[in-house]
Amino acid sequence: GAVVSQHPSRVICKSGTSVKIECRSLDFQATTMFWYRQFPKQSLMLMATSNEGSKATYEQGVEKDKFLINHASLTLSTLTVTSAHPEDSSFYICSASRGRPQDTQYFGPGTRLTVL
Amino acid sequence: EDQVTQSPEALRLQEGESSSLNCSYTVSGLRGLFWYRQDPGKGPEFLFTLYSAGEEKEKERLKATLTKKESFLHITAPKPEDSATYLCAVQGKDSSASKIIFGSGTRLSIRP
Repeated sequence: GAVVSQHPSRVICKSGTSVKIECRSLDFQATTMFWYRQFPKQSLMLMATSNEGSKATYEQGVEKDKFLINHASLTLSTLTVTSAHPEDSSFYICSASRGRPQDTQYFGPGTRLTVL
Repeated sequence: EDQVTQSPEALRLQEGESSSLNCSYTVSGLRGLFWYRQDPGKGPEFLFTLYSAGEEKEKERLKATLTKKESFLHITAPKPEDSATYLCAVQGKDSSASKIIFGSGTRLSIRP
């Protein structure tokens, strides 16, 4: 149990376009989902936390108008990178938890975004 | 402010050579400490959750222990397939919505 999927696994786009990444919890209801960004050989940096049906809470320094997060159901959250630029190229990883305190976060396989 | 420090940054072992990875933490009341394994180009894979000092959990060649200040991930007789980055994360009682803080990880390499 506790499987999280992400789609796509890899995407290449041109500068100025928008890219949507989907995160799904396959066998449990995820009240809370998280989006992280990871640079090479670095640890995960939390970008935002989203609760189903609510607006996402963004970490300091993360542009909410650039990284749009929607958590429309208990099994799906999406991250849209708007007007992507080369500096947005990174590894994006989502995680999901049942949302109760102490609940474990289960991670998706990640999405490699390359902006040309 | 909650903090997590992992050491060593990198560790190279011979196959069968047991060792331990350290995770030191500072948190305002621990809700949970988590260990994950991450392979290159993949998302973290959940290993263990520890909730209170004295707790221990085991899975195959891995054993995680917890004190009030640190956690150890002991690896016994490792195999090359145990090579990965091991991440430690903590959740404090003041954190909201299950948010966790990650350490920088230990890159473990097991030579055949």
